[in-house]
Amino acid sequence: AQSVTQLGSHVSVSEGALVLLRCNYSSSVPPYLFWYVQYPNQGLQLLLKYTTGATLVKGINGFEAEFKKSETSFHLTKPSAHMSDAAEYFCAVSPRGFKTIFGAGTRLFVKA
Amino acid sequence: DADVTQTPRNRITKTGKRIMLECSQTKGHDRMYWYRQDPGLGLQLIYYSFDVKDINKGEISDGYSVSRQAQAKFSLSLESAIPNQTALYFCATSDSVDSTDTQYFGPGTRLTVL
Repeated sequence: AQSVTQLGSHVSVSEGALVLLRCNYSSSVPPYLFWYVQYPNQGLQLLLKYTTGATLVKGINGFEAEFKKSETSFHLTKPSAHMSDAAEYFCAVSPRGFKTIFGAGTRLFVKA
Repeated sequence: DADVTQTPRNRITKTGKRIMLECSQTKGHDRMYWYRQDPGLGLQLIYYSFDVKDINKGEISDGYSVSRQAQAKFSLSLESAIPNQTALYFCATSDSVDSTDTQYFGPGTRLTVL
């Protein structure tokens, strides 16, 4: 069975500080991994995804994530937070493209 | 114009009423999904359709039904709404040609059942 765990329902950082959102997954087959972002009053949009190949994946707005198979993790980072990064972030796993499963989400707050 | 649209965007209704939420897409995708979002629970899959004649229940289908009227249209019905169906509902699409199942979401419908 596949599952996704996001550590921390809320994360607060200061503007300019490192953003780290944690995601661990379980999958019986090599998975595809995603981060989606949801801005207020909007639907989810793709931030980045890992399929195969290079384990460090770069996404939009300066975000990146690293697939670590040994740790079954896919943590999302950004070196310097901006006020516009305040949103809810969802990690998701798709076992070879079938029935994507979403984590519970992490709400990111950015303090001025 | 948005690729995935949902109507209505907001709806307040009473217990026992029949409600239909509609989703249309111009992306040409064959797969469509309905999710509900509750705080702290993430997205839960209600129904999904891989083409017009292929409709499947998701993890929380009880109390809901769907209709895939065309490749571009997928509607969700609550036959007799109850208060615990108050939630944010999202429609999403994906393309079976894309083996990763990357999904594209509508803006959501906020439903309140009194």
